[in-house]
Amino acid sequence: KNQVEQSPQSLIILEGKNCTLQCNYTVSPFSNLRWYKQDTGRGPVSLTIMTFSENTKSNGRYTATLDADTKQSSLHITASQLSDSASYICVVSAPDSGNTPLVFGKGTRLSVIA
Amino acid sequence: GAGVSQTPSNKVTEKGKYVELRCDPISGHTALYWYRQSLGQGPEFLIYFQGTGAADDSGLPNDRFFAVRPEGSVSTLKIQRTERGDSAVYLCASSPNRGSGELFFGEGSRLTVL
Repeated sequence: KNQVEQSPQSLIILEGKNCTLQCNYTVSPFSNLRWYKQDTGRGPVSLTIMTFSENTKSNGRYTATLDADTKQSSLHITASQLSDSASYICVVSAPDSGNTPLVFGKGTRLSVIA
Repeated sequence: GAGVSQTPSNKVTEKGKYVELRCDPISGHTALYWYRQSLGQGPEFLIYFQGTGAADDSGLPNDRFFAVRPEGSVSTLKIQRTERGDSAVYLCASSPNRGSGELFFGEGSRLTVL
């Protein structure tokens, strides 16, 4: 069964600190993996996309990694800011694996405190 | 429009009533998804349209839930005989094509069943 597991479920860090969020997936075949940021009361917004051939991709203070062999991805946030407080959702795309091409993780809830 | 639009943004109804939630996707996007999100949880897949047809409705929890997209653009999620457990944020997302991965989400419709 295609699944996306995220850890930790929730995380609290001090402003200015770094953190890393994890995403493990069993989706096959694999097309790409996206990290979304969802602010409270808003819809998710795409942060970054990783394809099979990419290992690392950065978007400002956000750096995503992908290991297609172990089927793991991470999202590293550097020098966290209060505005980073949100849920971060990992979504894996598998267009040839069945009817629904996207598999969602349950998200990691990040709280950045002063 | 510029983004995905969902109406109403908030809906309060009584148990047993019928509700309709509307989604206007980004013009030209062929794929449309409905998700349900409870507090502190990731989005839960409900139904996926490719064009006018429901390519996958396996996420609909029961036969009280139904969704249509008659002209391949606007979609309506319909809930009959609402129950308190239906209270959640209903998110709609569109994508340029099947499996492209990037979803553009609306802000959601918050449904509260009293």
